[in-house]
Amino acid sequence: GNSVTQMEGPVTLSEEAFLTINCTYTATGYPSLFWYVQYPGEGLQLLLKATKADDKGSNKGFEATYRKETTSFHLEKGSVQVSDSAVYFCALSGASGGGADGLTFGKGTHLIIQP
Amino acid sequence: IAGITQAPTSQILAAGRRMTLRCTQDMRHNAMYWYRQDLGLGLRLIHYSNTAGTTGKGEVPDGYSVSRANTDDFPLTLASAVPSQTSVYFCASSVDGGATTDTQYFGPGTRLTVL
Repeated sequence: GNSVTQMEGPVTLSEEAFLTINCTYTATGYPSLFWYVQYPGEGLQLLLKATKADDKGSNKGFEATYRKETTSFHLEKGSVQVSDSAVYFCALSGASGGGADGLTFGKGTHLIIQP
Repeated sequence: IAGITQAPTSQILAAGRRMTLRCTQDMRHNAMYWYRQDLGLGLRLIHYSNTAGTTGKGEVPDGYSVSRANTDDFPLTLASAVPSQTSVYFCASSVDGGATTDTQYFGPGTRLTVL
C-alpha cells in the first residue's frame, strides 16, 4: 500500500536558520505530493503541492521538488521565522489510479522556531 | 465565505453513546472526506464521498458510518462510541473526486473525548 515517511520531531531551530524536513514515499502509480501545515488549534492548510515528477511547489518561501528517482519530496526554507512554528505534514494522493480515495499522510513534524 | 464548518467544536461522550459529527461546506465541492488525527499517527482517512449519494471506506472505517444526502453535508456517526475513538476529527473537501491533483480543504476539527 501507499505510505509516507517524514522525519520525526520536534525540530527546533533558531530564527533565520535553514530548514529541511525530509519526506519519502512509497506508492504505485503516479501520485501527487503535498505539504500541509497545521498551526496550533487549527485545521490543516495547503502549503504547496507538486503533481508530476520534477515539479517544484513553492509558497511563502517554502519549496519542495518532486523527485521520482528518490521517491522524495523534502520541504526547504532558506530563513525560518518564529511564525513558521507549526506541525508540517507530507501527504500523497492518487497513487492507485484516481478517485476520491483521500490523502495518505505522514505522521507530521513539529517545528519550533526560537527567536 | 465560510468554507468548511464542523460542529461541535469539542465533545465529551460516555462510552456506548451515539454521536453524530456534522460537516458542512459552502464551496459546492463534489468530494468530501473524514479523517481522524491521533498523536504520533498523523491523519488517517475514515470515509470519503466522491459525489452526493455515494460513499466509500477509508483506512479506518470500523465503528463509523457516513451519509451524503446532498452536496453540502457529510455527517459522521459513531453508533456506539468507545474510548479508542477519542481523537480530533477533521472534515475536508475537494472540487473533483476524480482529480487526484486536487487540493483538499480542511475544517477546523472536532475534538472528541470518549470516557
